[in-house]
Amino acid sequence: GAGVSQSPSNKVTEKGKDVELRCDPISGHTALYWYRQSLGQGLEFLIYFQGNSAPDKSGLPSDRFSAERTGGSVSTLTIQRTQQEDSAVYLCASITSGGLNEQFFGPGTRLTVL
Amino acid sequence: KQEVTQIPAALSVPEGENLVLNCSFTDSAIYNLQWFRQDPGKGLTSLLLIQSSQREQTSGRLNASLDKSSGRSTLYIAASQPGDSATYLCAVRGGATNKLIFGTGTLLAVQP
Repeated sequence: GAGVSQSPSNKVTEKGKDVELRCDPISGHTALYWYRQSLGQGLEFLIYFQGNSAPDKSGLPSDRFSAERTGGSVSTLTIQRTQQEDSAVYLCASITSGGLNEQFFGPGTRLTVL
Repeated sequence: KQEVTQIPAALSVPEGENLVLNCSFTDSAIYNLQWFRQDPGKGLTSLLLIQSSQREQTSGRLNASLDKSSGRSTLYIAASQPGDSATYLCAVRGGATNKLIFGTGTLLAVQP
């Protein structure tokens, strides 16, 4: 079956522009996570969705970052007025409730802010 | 606050050697621990997941152990191959939302 997919795979933008990153989780997975991997910072948690709700947004670095999830499926991470420090790989993971609760990761979106 | 540390940061070994990667975490209240592999420019591939009640998991040439009370996990790779070259990340899952807290990774190079 299909894994987690993310688009675009690469995004180059100019400082100050808004960007949208998309995540398609594995069908039926109820929980979805966004992480960011930047040079020198390692992999850090951004936000967690259970269904369409986001009970944990504690990792979002500023109010320029927001995310939504619709239909318990696709999620979009939006970064407004991008800054150079936003350059990173943004990873999405989904997980099924119950069972092993293993997180499955997408290939990531590499964002470069010039 | 949970902190995850991996030692060594980088490791280079000749092909065929057995090797051990180390992961330590500061808060033993975890649900599980997951080991991942990341190839350059790629996403994460899950290797092994150990539940908090388990002591070890094995998959092929990989064996991961967990000592929750001491906050340690090891990933043992037997008979290493050049194709094993990658960054290996451990992550612990805990807390109300079960988010993963990642270590800084070990960059492994297996020389042919």
